[in-house]
Amino acid sequence: DQQVKQNSPSLSVQEGRISILNCDYTNSMFDYFLWYKKYPAEGPTFLISISSIKDKNEDGRFTVFLNKSAKHLSLHIVPSQPGDSAVYFCAASARRFKNKLVFGAGTILRVKS
Amino acid sequence: NAGVTQTPKFQVLKTGQSMTLQCAQDMNHNSMYWYRQDPGMGLRLIYYSASEGTTDKGEVPNGYNVSRLNKREFSLRLESAAPSQTSVYFCASSVDRGDEQYFGPGTRLTVT
Repeated sequence: DQQVKQNSPSLSVQEGRISILNCDYTNSMFDYFLWYKKYPAEGPTFLISISSIKDKNEDGRFTVFLNKSAKHLSLHIVPSQPGDSAVYFCAASARRFKNKLVFGAGTILRVKS
Repeated sequence: NAGVTQTPKFQVLKTGQSMTLQCAQDMNHNSMYWYRQDPGMGLRLIYYSASEGTTDKGEVPNGYNVSRLNKREFSLRLESAAPSQTSVYFCASSVDRGDEQYFGPGTRLTVT
């Protein structure tokens, strides 16, 4: 049972434009959502998170949006840069119950210059 | 502050050989995890340790054993390696379960 789904295996975007990565979840107990970025031959690195009490969190060029009613979150990167080319994983947890993170399968983002 | 370190970085084993992957963290985190990543499969949890002295199975535990040696160290052992265990292995840690995890650089293992 895939509780966290990233339905787009890959996304290609022109440099300077917006990249939108999507993630859907099924477990209504999830209250903490994260995005990770992974370059080849490196470990994933934590990018940005959002608690379920918010619907938006911004950090520089990265914004995460949470739509609880749709059980959907998205990561917006504006403007996209070639260095953003990586695999992006979304993850979620029922943090208040100290349940461990559940990861999606990842989306490969390619930013073309 | 090194974060999460893993040794070795690369390893080639023959089928049936055994080895231990080492992981250590210096962030005083309670929880530690072992994942494997295969092409197109995302991150799959092998085992985790919510706190020192406890270990639990993840989604793909068969063929592996773990030891939480102390708060800092969490090792993953392959008793009899199989070609299906060819993968990249990541160790991670977090303050507690449910918190953001911090990952090591990975160990690339090939079993021939």
